[in-house]
Amino acid sequence: DAKTTQPTSMDCAEGRAANLPCNHSTISGNEYVYWYRQIHSQGPQYIIHGLKNNETNEMASLIITEDRKSSTLILPHATLRDTAVYYCIVRVGKDDKIIFGKGTRLHILP
Amino acid sequence: DSGVTQTPKHLITATGQRVTLRCSPRSGDLSVYWYQQSLDQGLQFLIQYYNGEERAKGNILERFSAQQFPDLHSELNLSSLELGDSALYFCASSVLAGGPTGELFFGEGSRLTVL
Repeated sequence: DAKTTQPTSMDCAEGRAANLPCNHSTISGNEYVYWYRQIHSQGPQYIIHGLKNNETNEMASLIITEDRKSSTLILPHATLRDTAVYYCIVRVGKDDKIIFGKGTRLHILP
Repeated sequence: DSGVTQTPKHLITATGQRVTLRCSPRSGDLSVYWYQQSLDQGLQFLIQYYNGEERAKGNILERFSAQQFPDLHSELNLSSLELGDSALYFCASSVLAGGPTGELFFGEGSRLTVL
């Protein structure tokens, strides 16, 4: 079973920042937080991952709370092409069973 | 383009039949993962191989089997097909067997329709 909890769906206005929350209250010290997204029925796409420090790349920023029990994925300037299902996953280095939950369906509104 | 190639893209077959789905990982990736996604369902992890060896198993049915060949491509065999096996089957690859930096790169999927 997935170890994360995400809202089923969210809306965001185009051009605004999209903030997608994820709860992982049972996360262990050696588990990383990963984010992927799936646009329509395409193959999922890796976005970002982190352990305890905040991370940023060309796609998004990942903010992890100090207690590591939750995190937020931030898409700084959402576009219509960001409409997708976003998956938050926690993963141990040795755990090869990468389990996807139901994710958050993000709708970007024009 | 993720660099992961899956064939065929679409496949229509009848109940009771057997099909083989093929996956070519990104160049240099040693791990291959298989996932099943039924209509409006999440991604279900089936199985993972690393450098030819099975590394992890999910909820893969006994009617399904997979293998990874010496050239690192993988095949997922689905037999005695049922209507409920209709789904998108995704293959993903990564450099590592596991590890925190082993992000997955997914192919575009093979859409199986069982009539």
